[in-house]
Amino acid sequence: ETGVTQSPTHLIKTRGQQVTLRCSSQSGHNTVSWYQQALGQGPQFIFQYYREEENGRGNFPPRFSGLQFPNYSSELNVNALELDDSALYLCASSSSTVGNTEAFFGQGTRLTVV
Amino acid sequence: RKEVEQDPGPFNVPEGATVAFNCTYSNSASQSFFWYRQDCRKEPKLLMSVYSSGNEDGRFTAQLNRASQYISLLIRDSKLSDSATYLCVVKHYGGATNKLIFGTGTLLAVQP
Repeated sequence: ETGVTQSPTHLIKTRGQQVTLRCSSQSGHNTVSWYQQALGQGPQFIFQYYREEENGRGNFPPRFSGLQFPNYSSELNVNALELDDSALYLCASSSSTVGNTEAFFGQGTRLTVV
Repeated sequence: RKEVEQDPGPFNVPEGATVAFNCTYSNSASQSFFWYRQDCRKEPKLLMSVYSSGNEDGRFTAQLNRASQYISLLIRDSKLSDSATYLCVVKHYGGATNKLIFGTGTLLAVQP
């Protein structure tokens, strides 16, 4: 086990709704990254949080937003859900933003938008 | 064009076979390289890092050719438990952000 936990594990939402996904990082890790993995694709970087600040963002629209809390846990919020948002959402925690530090993934949240 | 390209497979091989996966990356600024393994409906897990000198971990050998921007993974004596998707991953450090760039993955099915 990596020590990175995500909730919920599965979720079904209707198009247009909003969703919040949660991630608890591994103890001692101050950096959390979020990835979206569509079926048959590799994970795509959404954004990264370091010490409660967004620290880089991939090619995702502003309706994807996030937060990091003082205990380094994190939330991913998606507004105005679209059918194409259906995917596995992965969070990864690491002990640093730079260098060759390993990122540890949570088990993911599988979101289905209908 | 995707930044990391892999043959999606599937690769169907018998137990005991040797199988090789290849990957190319387009960003010459990429600085770290990895192979991750992902089981069906599970999260990706680090299999091994890849170094220019080549590195081996048991039945697994990884190679990096920076000049050709090419990464490979060789699996010898395949086991049923090797069946999974293998993701080629590069990392480059854009400013303060340290993000992983994944290929689409190559599906391996080892048959009894």
